[in-house]
Parts: sequence; C-alpha cells; structure tokens
Amino acid sequence: GENVEQHPSTLSVQEGDSAVIKCTYSDSASNYFPWYKQELGKGPQLIIDIRSNVGEKKDQRIAVTLNKTAKHFSLHITETQPEDSAVYFCAASPSGNTPLVFGKGTRLSVIA
Amino acid sequence: GAVVSQHPSWVICKSGTSVKIECRSLDFQATTMFWYRQFPKQSLMLMATSNEGSKATYEQGVEKDKFLINHASLTLSTLTVTSAHPEDSSFYICSARGFRSSYNEQFFGPGTRLTVL
Repeated sequence: GENVEQHPSTLSVQEGDSAVIKCTYSDSASNYFPWYKQELGKGPQLIIDIRSNVGEKKDQRIAVTLNKTAKHFSLHITETQPEDSAVYFCAASPSGNTPLVFGKGTRLSVIA
Repeated sequence: GAVVSQHPSWVICKSGTSVKIECRSLDFQATTMFWYRQFPKQSLMLMATSNEGSKATYEQGVEKDKFLINHASLTLSTLTVTSAHPEDSSFYICSARGFRSSYNEQFFGPGTRLTVL
C-alpha cells in the first residue's frame, strides 16, 4: 500500500524567511496530494493541494511542487509569519475511494 | 463550502459510560466519512471508513464493538465509544468526502476531545 514519508519533523524559521517541507510517496498510482495545517486543539485544515497532472501550484504565500518521476512533493511557505506556526501534514491519495495516507507531520515554529 | 462540524467539541465522562460523537457535513453530501484518532504530538490514525448506508470498515487493531460507527445519512455519521476507559481518552476527528469529488479530497471536522476519568 501507499507509504508517505515527511521531513523534517520540526522546523524553526525566523519571521520573514521561507519554510520548505518535503514528502515522498511510494505508490506511483497516487494522483492527489493535499497539505493540511493543524493548529493546537483543532482539526486539520486543507491549505493547498495538487493533482498529478500539474507540476506546481501557488496560492499567495503558499506553493506546492510535485515531481511524479521522483515521487516527491514539497510545500513552500514564503515570508513566514508567526501565525504560520502549526503542524503541517502532507498526504497522498491512492487510486479508488480509499482514505488519504498521511505523513507524520512537521511542527513549524516561526520566531518573531 | 466543504464545512464539516463535530459535536461535542469536548466531553468528560466516567469510566464505563458510553459517549456519542456526531459528525456532520454542512454544505455537501458526504458519501464517505472517516474517523481518526490522534494522540498528542502524533499524526492522524485512521480508525474506520464508513460509506452511507453500509457497515463501516475498521482498520486493523480497532475494536468494532467498542467503537460503533453509524453513517445513516449523507450528512451525518456518529462514533460511539462504548464502555469508555481512561485509555480511550484522545482527540477524535472525523473527515468527509463528497460524491462529486473526482479526486479524493477529504475535509476535516474540528475534532472532539474525549477525557475518560
């Protein structure tokens, strides 16, 4: 089955700097890759996603890139702000109506 | 769009009692709902998948008689923790997927914090 690896597990950046979180997946049939942000005591919120027919997607300060050949995808946050501090999860969707497979999460701390 | 609610947001109960958690998709019809459990500083652990009108599919190691899941309508799924014990204390999160989704998007509820005394 699908396996998703996420790195790093923790990341600290200075406010205004960029943050990059990387994930790899194992199932070449996976075709959908969302990223979720989870704040303390809350449920995960979808912040951006990318489908397998696209290599890059951007939404204001957030961007995601996908390399299907290498089976990895990354989240890029530019001009980080303290409110970006949270746990970020990547996920991959195997084919069919199966649940998303999640990475173990990255705890991002933005230091003011 | 794609809003999922959960109720209650937190609950404290005595050991041996049962607790029901509701998950609702507010602005779309959810053909599939998922229930997750999350321990502090850990990732989401899938407990079960339920499709509207059929029995839930439980992940290995999850007791179906302890965690009863009902998905009776396209907007409501419930998780009942029966005879709860302190080790069942956790953060429970539901997720829903709509039938119009050509990709496997999942939208999450805000979670329910269960504390068993």
